[in-house]
Amino acid sequence: EAQVTQNPRYLITVTGKKLTVTCSQNMNHEYMSWYRQDPGLGLRQIYYSMNVEVTDKGDVPEGYKVSRKEKRNFPLILESPSPNQTSLYFCASRYQQADTQYFGPGTRLTVL
Amino acid sequence: AQSVTQLDSQVPVFEEAPVELRCNYSSSVSVYLFWYVQYPNQGLQLLLKYLSGSTLVESINGFEAEFNKSQTSFHLRKPSVHISDTAEYFCAVSDPGGSQGNLIFGKGTKLSVKP
Repeated sequence: EAQVTQNPRYLITVTGKKLTVTCSQNMNHEYMSWYRQDPGLGLRQIYYSMNVEVTDKGDVPEGYKVSRKEKRNFPLILESPSPNQTSLYFCASRYQQADTQYFGPGTRLTVL
Repeated sequence: AQSVTQLDSQVPVFEEAPVELRCNYSSSVSVYLFWYVQYPNQGLQLLLKYLSGSTLVESINGFEAEFNKSQTSFHLRKPSVHISDTAEYFCAVSDPGGSQGNLIFGKGTKLSVKP
């Protein structure tokens, strides 16, 4: 089954404790993105990647890192999480720009 | 930079009534346009998209959207809604000539269908 998976689905952590949210797709897609969703603000892009080892900043990259060492994986790293990073995070992938973007199920992160 | 405006944050409507969810985007250049739907506690899924050709596009569950270049709009309509259409709807735009990784979303419209 074609899908985007994220782990964990739920995470509660404390300020400053490094964490990684994994994202994997099994569709051989070129493009992958991370978004955060906050009430009243919609989805805002954090980082995106157009291929292995090619990443770029989205609209709200501060406090986040990403890597794309393999085509299928695109982890999101929070080196020192802060409470303002409490949010619902979505990973997404698509083959080309005009194609449908497939979203993962979301990761709800709470930073205390 | 591209931007997307969804004019209504919430739209309450009764079952079997028609509905229109409005979307405007900032650029007059050629764009790709999308509507995504997010059902409660789920991720987003594509509802329909406009790439080129006919300005009226349809989804399998009765929604349609019309691309209007002069008004830079891509409003979503359904002639008769069901309770199951209750969800949040996001309009999105991608610039074919711009960064190929960037898909810009509006802030979303929550459609609430009441019996």
